[in-house]
Amino acid sequence: DVKVTQSSRYLVKRTGEKVFLECVQDMDHENMFWYRQDPGLGLRLIYFSYDVKMKEKGDIPEGYSVSREKKERFSLILESASTNQTSMYLCASSFEGADTQYFGPGTRLTVL
Amino acid sequence: EDQVTQSPEALRLQEGESSSLNCSYTVSGLRGLFWYRQDPGKGPEFLFTLYSAGEEKEKERLKATLTKKESFLHITAPKPEDSATYLCAVQVQTSGSRLTFGEGTQLTVNP
Repeated sequence: DVKVTQSSRYLVKRTGEKVFLECVQDMDHENMFWYRQDPGLGLRLIYFSYDVKMKEKGDIPEGYSVSREKKERFSLILESASTNQTSMYLCASSFEGADTQYFGPGTRLTVL
Repeated sequence: EDQVTQSPEALRLQEGESSSLNCSYTVSGLRGLFWYRQDPGKGPEFLFTLYSAGEEKEKERLKATLTKKESFLHITAPKPEDSATYLCAVQVQTSGSRLTFGEGTQLTVNP
């Protein structure tokens, strides 16, 4: 069974704080993705990575950065959290060349 | 620009009342179309991948079909545990592994 885990299910942070969201997959997948999900907007891709230390911008990268130092771990960083970054954050992974992305349980982030 | 539109936004059914959800897409070169199920507060769970027009896949009470412009998710004799949001996503040939998602259909099945 593919397993994608995320470091927190719920997180509350203050405006201006630096926030780290971590994602770990145990299936040796090459590809990893970070999305945010908002009512009425669906899932939107923030960043993705095809390999260790590789990253590419998705559709809404502004205000975010990522880090992939190990194949199984992909971190999303909010350098200075803002209230408009309150959202559900979803991590996914897939094999290189394979289509199916498998998702983690999500992190509900609230920025006050 | 690639677009994915799901309809209806919300659907209420009685247990046993069969129906279909629609996913219409406008893309330049479809590589695959994906259906996911998402329960409240959880991550999407993979259901099906369809690659070419005419293809069909089934899993329990669910059957997904694909044409050149749209996909249908048919739900036969649904049960309350089928209540969830169903998401459709497309992958295009020029975008590598990236998926473009629709906004989903929220299905409620009443006992």
